Amino acid sequence: GAGVSQSPSNKVTEKGKDVELRCDPISGHTALYWYRQSLGQGLEFLIYFQGNSAPDKSGLPSDRFSAERTGGSVSTLTIQRTQQEDSAVYLCASSLAGVIGNTIYFGEGSWLTVV
Amino acid sequence: QKEVEQDPGPLSVPEGAIVSLNCTYSNSAFQYFMWYRQYSRKGPELLMYTYSSGNKEDGRFTAQVDKSSKYISLFIRDSQPSDSATYLCAMRSQAGTALIFGKGTTLSVSS
Repeated sequence: GAGVSQSPSNKVTEKGKDVELRCDPISGHTALYWYRQSLGQGLEFLIYFQGNSAPDKSGLPSDRFSAERTGGSVSTLTIQRTQQEDSAVYLCASSLAGVIGNTIYFGEGSWLTVV
Repeated sequence: QKEVEQDPGPLSVPEGAIVSLNCTYSNSAFQYFMWYRQYSRKGPELLMYTYSSGNKEDGRFTAQVDKSSKYISLFIRDSQPSDSATYLCAMRSQAGTALIFGKGTTLSVSS
């Protein structure tokens, strides 16, 4: 597809389980971002990838959160031992890197509910 | 104080009204300013992008940046029911890697 693709679109998991969220960025986009959006909150930055490396992980809220990117394309965000406060929409975005002010395109998000 | 402040609303206006949406920020290093529109259960989509201070117009939308006051605005003229959405301001610095977002303002335009 032409846009940023995320899966699953919806996920309900039990507290304490691990979850993996997948992002397939726009072809050719070397920059990839993960954001979290909780009810009534703005977008909270989690992590930024340039290629396969993550020069900015400053937004990851705890060591239960990790992310990787392979082949400069698909990224996986993993949340271990999920807690109820992890319930949110996890948004992935991508952009062309190296161009100041380039447009960041978002996917439709993975809606995570921890019960 | 959060880096970016935005009144969450909700804001309700009749069709045809002029809408003014605003954000304030504290980081003087921000140079790139954006407005995103987000429909319910969708990802944000870029609406307007402005570099540094000044105005930018695109159809019914006008974005303004006042760096001296650390204040940005989005104006929507002749608002339509299809404009009903959440509007998020976002900004970044020259060296920043991520956009910093406001909480978003929910707008409802009634016909």
